[in-house]
Amino acid sequence: AQSVTQPDIHITVSEGASLELRCNYSYGATPYLFWYVQSPGQGLQLLLKYFSGDTLVQGIKGFEAEFKRSQSSFNLRKPSVHWSDAAEYFCAVGALYSSASKIIFGSGTRLSIRP
Amino acid sequence: DAGVIQSPRHEVTEMGQEVTLRCKPISGHNSLFWYRQTMMRGLELLIYFNNNVPIDDSGMPEDRFSAKMPNASFSTLKIQPSEPRDSAVYFCASTSDNSPLHFGNGTRLTVT
Repeated sequence: AQSVTQPDIHITVSEGASLELRCNYSYGATPYLFWYVQSPGQGLQLLLKYFSGDTLVQGIKGFEAEFKRSQSSFNLRKPSVHWSDAAEYFCAVGALYSSASKIIFGSGTRLSIRP
Repeated sequence: DAGVIQSPRHEVTEMGQEVTLRCKPISGHNSLFWYRQTMMRGLELLIYFNNNVPIDDSGMPEDRFSAKMPNASFSTLKIQPSEPRDSAVYFCASTSDNSPLHFGNGTRLTVT
């Protein structure tokens, strides 16, 4: 069965601290993976994507993520968070090389920033 | 590029009424997705289309929900009759092959 698991519902970190948000997936096909961010009352904005190649991908706003096939993981990281990073973060997976692939999302991780 | 356009932004209706949500995908995108977001269930995939054809509607919760894509530039999600538990934010998103999803701003539906 296809699934995306974000085990942390809510994380609070201090401004300036490092951040890692976890994402594990189960997908029958070769995956392509995304992280999205959603601010309150807003739509979802793409942070970064992984299709193939270098397993460490860089995104907007200083975020990066590392694809680890052996662990079926795609964790999101940021070396130093800013108060404006407070939002909800979603991991998503689809099937690479498929013209009509189902794209499913994790349940999200809400990030709060401690001043 | 105007992005994915959804209408209306907000819809308040009474239980039992028909509700129609609309979506215009990005021109050139060949896949369109409808998602529902609630606090309890998160972001659920309801249905998606490829080249205007429904591929997977297993996420549609009940027969009260239906979706159509009559052409490449327009899709509707209809709820008839609506119920209070349908209250949620409904997102439309579009993409082309192996590209990220582009989301609309959503329709916030409140059924009283």
